[in-house]
Amino acid sequence: NAGVTQTPKFRVLKTGQSMTLLCAQDMNHEYMYWYRQDPGMGLRLIHYSVGEGTTAKGEVPDGYNVSRLKKQNFLLGLESAAPSQTSVYFCASMGQNYGYTFGSGTRLTVV
Amino acid sequence: GENVEQHPSTLSVQEGDSAVIKCTYSDSASNYFPWYKQELGKGPQLIIDIRSNVGEKKDQRIAVTLNKTAKHFSLHITETQPEDSAVYFCAASLGGGFKTIFGAGTRLFVKA
Repeated sequence: NAGVTQTPKFRVLKTGQSMTLLCAQDMNHEYMYWYRQDPGMGLRLIHYSVGEGTTAKGEVPDGYNVSRLKKQNFLLGLESAAPSQTSVYFCASMGQNYGYTFGSGTRLTVV
Repeated sequence: GENVEQHPSTLSVQEGDSAVIKCTYSDSASNYFPWYKQELGKGPQLIIDIRSNVGEKKDQRIAVTLNKTAKHFSLHITETQPEDSAVYFCAASLGGGFKTIFGAGTRLFVKA
């Protein structure tokens, strides 16, 4: 089992560029999440989904959009990247036991 | 909303000693408290969790305690080893765990 797979692992964007981060899980989990991790600030929830076709805002949603067209995939989009979005992004999914399975992260730098 | 505070932010111990990380939460309705370990360059990994109807849970060298009255919970690692060096996150959630709030993390160094 691959668990949660994130692509790409690294990316450098110029200010104003757009990109999509892909998260795929093979555990048939209903709930999926996107977090960002910044030094000294722990993990902050950007958006989440409680099932296919649903999305909801988390703690820091501004500047991001998401889609969950298929149960196994959760996409995070940046329409116009800003230096403040330089961060490490983690996707996670949650099974019936409530614990999260995280991907290995995407390190994004916006210059 | 829920807020989780975690202390200390950095902890250094000698190999073989015990390490304790403490967290407090604000929402008394929280009912699920997981702990995650994050090694360098990797995503967090669930290492132990506790639910609100249990006061203590052990798994080999790690244990978690929960005090619902005081709204705090702790992670205890005994006989620490260099491979325990990592960042540890506590978290709290309510309503089945679908929205989890994380503490800011504790960087644990175990010196050989």
